[in-house]
Amino acid sequence: EIVLTQSPGTLSFSPGERADLSCRASQSVSSYLAWYQQKPGQAPRLLIYGASSRATGIPDRFSGSGSGTDFALTISRLEPEDSAVYYCQQYGSSPLTFGQGTKVEIK
Amino acid sequence: QITLKESGPTLVKPTQTLTLTCTFSGFSLSTSGVGVGWIRQPPGKALEWLALICWDDDKRYNPSLKSRLTLTKDTSKNHVVLTMTNMDPVDTATYYCAHRVGRSTSCYDYWGQGTLVTVSS
Repeated sequence: EIVLTQSPGTLSFSPGERADLSCRASQSVSSYLAWYQQKPGQAPRLLIYGASSRATGIPDRFSGSGSGTDFALTISRLEPEDSAVYYCQQYGSSPLTFGQGTKVEIK
Repeated sequence: QITLKESGPTLVKPTQTLTLTCTFSGFSLSTSGVGVGWIRQPPGKALEWLALICWDDDKRYNPSLKSRLTLTKDTSKNHVVLTMTNMDPVDTATYYCAHRVGRSTSCYDYWGQGTLVTVSS
């Protein structure tokens, strides 16, 4: 089973700043990586798939990069509504696995 | 417009079997490439993928739970049913069903609202 490690656990920013979230896989997943945003009491929302393709309706402030074992989600120009937990998920190998999440706080 | 909704008991006793139904609209599970997955999330914890059923009745299970899980589909009713046997308090979680993006893209673009299942005597 591929383990995804997200670091750090919590990040704090001011509105307008840029956030860079990391996801590292225990072995290569090629570009089979997705990112989700989850707000309290809500289901996850797909942001990025294929490491860098934005899902339908996702603002271009969200971008993904990386391949193999190291991936990043960048949120430029943070807005208060971006406060959430962000999860990465790999689908390069079964079983599908998720990272433990990074909480982004906007103060 | 794709929608999914989970239904089932909110409380089950230890050792009982959980049966959850995912009712969906906006797509057909008889269309090539379509899949519906189940993912759960214990309170305050991360997401865990459980299983996937595809249009051709191919089924995939998380090996850690495979012996306890069964997936079935009813294409005419737009239902997917997940059963999990021998429930334990550690299985307390919100259970989500979700629509898979595509045949070679096993991430999920539409999710149900989730249903919280508590396992307690």
